[in-house]
Amino acid sequence: GQNIDQPTEMTATEGAIVQINCTYQTSGFNGLFWYQQHAGEAPTFLSYNVLDGLEEKGRFSSFLSRSKGYSYLLLKELQMKDSASYLCAVHTGGGNKLTFGTGTQLKVEL
Amino acid sequence: EAQVTQNPRYLITVTGKKLTVTCSQNMNHEYMSWYRQDPGLGLRQIYYSMNVEVTDKGDVPEGYKVSRKEKRNFPLILESPSPNQTSLYFCASSPGLIFHEQYFGPGTRLTVT
Repeated sequence: GQNIDQPTEMTATEGAIVQINCTYQTSGFNGLFWYQQHAGEAPTFLSYNVLDGLEEKGRFSSFLSRSKGYSYLLLKELQMKDSASYLCAVHTGGGNKLTFGTGTQLKVEL
Repeated sequence: EAQVTQNPRYLITVTGKKLTVTCSQNMNHEYMSWYRQDPGLGLRQIYYSMNVEVTDKGDVPEGYKVSRKEKRNFPLILESPSPNQTSLYFCASSPGLIFHEQYFGPGTRLTVT
């Protein structure tokens, strides 16, 4: 089966850097997505990793290690509006399924 | 405006009364999918479709049906809803799953009493 683990909650200070980890054990692997979801809203796409390494996009970066089954999302210069749930999702092969982790609720404080 | 729309946004119904939640996208996307989101369980995929007349089960398909007769529409059908189907439902579309983000609809909050 598929197993994706993320911390349930994290708290960080405005202006700081936070790293949200995601570990996965899945049958097949095609790529890993990160989505952001504000309370009461739909998820929105942040990043996609298919090869090992770091992908940088503005204040957000995402890292993947396929051999370790590990990814992280790095958020820099945190802003209050970054308070949201961050969802890790793995695209598994052979069926075009997308399996989500339960999400990490990030709270940014002053 | 490129978007995914869902209707209704909110629905309260009773056990056993058939219902359909509609989903439509105007981006000519091949891939469409339905998810349910429950506290502590995250987003779980119900069904997905790679193209017209091509559908497949996700992780939690029991109690649901879908159809894909047109590229833009992907309705979710609950033939006999039960209280354990009370949830927040999202429809999503993508040009294709690999290398492509999914665009999510606004969600449908369903309560079955």
